[in-house]
Amino acid sequence: QVQLQESGPGLVKPSETLSLICDVSGGSIRTDYYWSWIRQTPGKTLEWIAYIHHSGDSNSNPSLKSRVTLSADTSKNQLSLKLSAVTAADTAIYYCARHDTSHGLGKDWFDPWGQGTPVIVSS
Amino acid sequence: DIQMTQSPSTLSASVGDRITFTCRANQNINNWLAWYQQKPGKAPKLLIYDASNLGRGVPSRFSGGGSGTEFTLTISSLQPDDFATYYCQQYDSYSWTFGQGTRVEIK
Repeated sequence: QVQLQESGPGLVKPSETLSLICDVSGGSIRTDYYWSWIRQTPGKTLEWIAYIHHSGDSNSNPSLKSRVTLSADTSKNQLSLKLSAVTAADTAIYYCARHDTSHGLGKDWFDPWGQGTPVIVSS
Repeated sequence: DIQMTQSPSTLSASVGDRITFTCRANQNINNWLAWYQQKPGKAPKLLIYDASNLGRGVPSRFSGGGSGTEFTLTISSLQPDDFATYYCQQYDSYSWTFGQGTRVEIK
């Protein structure tokens, strides 16, 4: 049973780059599955950030695209997210999640999710 | 962007009640809809996918319905473990957006 575990700095200063890691255990990321990052604001709004496949295929939410960098490290079975030029609006709990589907990418839901890592943007 | 609207925002109910709440999309998403349950301090957990299919290990008291723009999640007999917040999520064509949630609280 695959499990995901996010980790990150906890506190980031405005204008800096946020770097997060998602460790995947119980299964390899070198599969047909896609993986996404999703965040939840203090107001509980859930927002999809971006997805990645171990092949490097990736895409981001248009609202964040210019600031997002994704990677997948198959040797470490890890995913990473970098979000540049952060502001207070980027304060959230960040989750990684696996896509699941019987229809192909673009027609998929998220299962399972990691436990999330909180990020506060503040000077 | 496809906007998802859930109602009500909060629902007060008692153990054993049958409850239903709604999720509406601002355009047709066929049956490309999932429901999640979230408890405080935890990640969302998948309940329903493709509008009406039960996720792995999800109790049968949960059921989903609807298609197009209007969807429902029903809990047939509310259990103490079900007091939580429920989110819908659409997944139509490389676009994933969530509703704002319905919180189920103890009456």
